[in-house]
Amino acid sequence: NAGVMQNPRHLVRRRGQEARLRCSPMKGHSHVYWYRQLPEEGLKFMVYLQKENIIDESGMPKERFSAEFPKEGPSILRIQQVVRGDSAAYFCASSHRDRVIYGYTFGSGTRLTVV
Amino acid sequence: DQQVKQNSPSLSVQEGRISILNCDYTNSMFDYFLWYKKYPAEGPTFLISISSIKDKNEDGRFTVFLNKSAKHLSLHIVPSQPGDSAVYFCAASSNNNDMRFGAGTRLTVKP
Repeated sequence: NAGVMQNPRHLVRRRGQEARLRCSPMKGHSHVYWYRQLPEEGLKFMVYLQKENIIDESGMPKERFSAEFPKEGPSILRIQQVVRGDSAAYFCASSHRDRVIYGYTFGSGTRLTVV
Repeated sequence: DQQVKQNSPSLSVQEGRISILNCDYTNSMFDYFLWYKKYPAEGPTFLISISSIKDKNEDGRFTVFLNKSAKHLSLHIVPSQPGDSAVYFCAASSNNNDMRFGAGTRLTVKP
């Protein structure tokens, strides 16, 4: 019973390239959340998705960032034209019910480094 | 805006003693609070939670206290063990919406 799977674990991109981060939720979980942790900071909410729907993207930067959770396959967080300030750890979490009180399960994160 | 604050970036305690981690929040609409524990190179794992209708919740060595009037919560770990050494995040939610996290406190328990 695998937990939340994120890949890659580490990703290095040059400025201007695209970064794609993947998240497979726990079996039976249909709610996915993306968080970003900048160095020396806490986890910042980015986006909440259900299958084929973006429920809350209030934490997503307006430009260059997008997320999807298709009917089949993992959730994808896509960052276009990356800049150095995008370097961070990106965590995905999933839950089997709506929102927080039933607990989120986090993946191990993808560490993005922009050089 | 930093709605959830953990003002102590680090805490060091001796094994067997009590660890007290503090968290303050500004949003009076928060009605559910959680603590997560994070080891290096791993994702956060849920530790304990408390609803705003309570002022205390206990689970083994871990107890969370909530003071709504002061908008303050704390996590007590007693007795502390070296395996408790990790970063602890406080999180809060309002009306079952997405969690807001603090910056974390790094706890070191010395043998």
